[in-house]
Amino acid sequence: SQTIHQWPATLVQPVGSPLSLECTVEGTSNPNLYWYRQAAGRGLQLLFYSVGIGQISSEVPQNLSASRPQDRQFILSSKKLLLSDSGFYLCAWMVQGYSPLHFGNGTRLTVT
Amino acid sequence: KQEVTQIPAALSVPEGENLVLNCSFTDSAIYNLQWFRQDPGKGLTSLLLIQSSQREQTSGRLNASLDKSSGRSTLYIAASQPGDSATYLCAVLRNSGNTPLVFGKGTRLSVIA
Repeated sequence: SQTIHQWPATLVQPVGSPLSLECTVEGTSNPNLYWYRQAAGRGLQLLFYSVGIGQISSEVPQNLSASRPQDRQFILSSKKLLLSDSGFYLCAWMVQGYSPLHFGNGTRLTVT
Repeated sequence: KQEVTQIPAALSVPEGENLVLNCSFTDSAIYNLQWFRQDPGKGLTSLLLIQSSQREQTSGRLNASLDKSSGRSTLYIAASQPGDSATYLCAVLRNSGNTPLVFGKGTRLSVIA
């Protein structure tokens, strides 16, 4: 069966520090991968998505970046965090429209 | 540009009541529509997926319907329970998968015992 792992679950980082959040999927190949952010009291914001290794689409211009070094690995990064980067970050995957979108358990990031 | 709207934003009902959550979308050219549940501080859990060729899907006490031509979907919850309290989100997929889902902002449901 397919599973998605996302870590860490919580993270507290000072302003200006770097960020690396990792997401891996097991039990499937060539999934579409997604990074979302959910700020307190707000809806889901799509940050990045990838339909294949090395293929990244960015939905919002900001100081975050994403990479997909392997088929089932998706990494969200920042060189210098801002206070406004605080939020709940969710990784998700699906197979080309044939499966539901499956989410990880999320990372709660607090930038202080 | 596809827009997804969920009304109401919040709903409170007594336990045992049947209820309907609404989702509307502006572009009827969708591939599928999905309903999700999110508990506080957790990720989203997929509840039901309706392909564009289908009219409804059922899972237990949940029934989701789709009327593509009118740009509407409803999630029907029968005999609601306090454990159903959560935020329910719908999302539409435009084509077979190389474009991301478009989400509504969700309906926060509270079922009061």
